[in-house]
Amino acid sequence: GQQLNQSPQSMFIQEGEDVSMNCTSSSIFNTWLWYKQDPGEGPVLLIALYKAGELTSNGRLTAQFGITRKDSFLNISASIPSDVGIYFCAGQNGNDKIIFGKGTRLHILP
Amino acid sequence: GAVVSQHPSRVICKSGTSVKIECRSLDFQATTMFWYRQFPKQSLMLMATSNEGSKATYEQGVEKDKFLINHASLTLSTLTVTSAHPEDSSFYICSAPPQGADYGYTFGSGTRLTVV
Repeated sequence: GQQLNQSPQSMFIQEGEDVSMNCTSSSIFNTWLWYKQDPGEGPVLLIALYKAGELTSNGRLTAQFGITRKDSFLNISASIPSDVGIYFCAGQNGNDKIIFGKGTRLHILP
Repeated sequence: GAVVSQHPSRVICKSGTSVKIECRSLDFQATTMFWYRQFPKQSLMLMATSNEGSKATYEQGVEKDKFLINHASLTLSTLTVTSAHPEDSSFYICSAPPQGADYGYTFGSGTRLTVV
């Protein structure tokens, strides 16, 4: 079946540092999504990508959809304490079900 | 924007009892809703697709007689965990594609189920 491999599994960074995480897929997706989940909450959509090679920003977040539609990265610049959480990449084709990666847990050291 | 409301947020039940979780789309209609389960430090795993007015579609390995799904209206889907056991303890999250959106789902805030 379709699988998304997300790395790293967890990150420990200092406040103010930039963050980079990526995701690869065994198959092609038409749409690539990045979600953030806070503890005890449902995921919230951060960025959606649907054009191969597309680079999209949302505030301090930047994400790119790979040319092959099989990979994506998410960057967070100048991290702040509220960036703590789990970041999931996800792939979707049309209105079909969304497949999630295993998540990257971001921890910010005081 | 599209809002999905999930209730209850937390529930503790005794082993052998049933628990119902509600998922409502507040400002849009959802002919389809999705139910996910998330174990601690794990990803979201799709359990089933809830279809308004018809039977739900279950993912492989999910017992449809144990996880009853009802989608009786365009704004409400329910998941009932029947004869709950401790291994059913998990975080259950519903979601729906916002009306008119080309991609992505809006997620509810989840239900933490603890079976004792």
